[in-house]
Amino acid sequence: GAVVSQHPSWVICKSGTSVKIECRSLDFQATTMFWYRQFPKQSLMLMATSNEGSKATYEQGVEKDKFLINHASLTLSTLTVTSAHPEDSSFYICSAALFGLGFTGELFFGEGSRLTVL
Amino acid sequence: EDQVTQSPEALRLQEGESSSLNCSYTVSGLRGLFWYRQDPGKGPEFLFTLYSAGEEKEKERLKATLTKKESFLHITAPKPEDSATYLCAVQDWIIQGAQKLVFGQGTRLTINP
Repeated sequence: GAVVSQHPSWVICKSGTSVKIECRSLDFQATTMFWYRQFPKQSLMLMATSNEGSKATYEQGVEKDKFLINHASLTLSTLTVTSAHPEDSSFYICSAALFGLGFTGELFFGEGSRLTVL
Repeated sequence: EDQVTQSPEALRLQEGESSSLNCSYTVSGLRGLFWYRQDPGKGPEFLFTLYSAGEEKEKERLKATLTKKESFLHITAPKPEDSATYLCAVQDWIIQGAQKLVFGQGTRLTINP
């Protein structure tokens, strides 16, 4: 299957600092990537849809200024958590849709990034 | 609003004991129903896509089936390495941004040796 790489896999930061998470599609081009957030023992909640070359579309209740998303190329999307606070601690997962061989529908996920804000 | 409900929340089985996981869904127009496996601290791993009622797909000890209201993930003679959280998700033709998935809360499956 298609490979999506996420980095870093875990990060610890102080309250008030900003953290950037990268998501790369390694063997295919992804015009659209998705950012999810997952709390312990809960399901994945979509935060935003990232489109290459345009502004991200955020889900209701997600702060645009808190979670900055940039999709500068067909293989890279970044999520920056600005002025992070302990309540932002979570597992962040990106995903991308495979279109190269025709739309198949399934999304391929990165390994996730665990953010802990002290 | 699209909704996905999975049951049970958690399931413990003995190795070799077959069972089924349920995914009930409500969607305006089903584009696809997806099953993923998620290990602790990892991203979801794609298992199956089902597109229409009556469709079935198999992979090793897993078989996924689909009706107009629910999907089942049948696990036959499971092994300890099948222990994971299994997530069900739907895509809707009608909503904007048709690629995005709505996930259920998952079923945590534990297979005891």
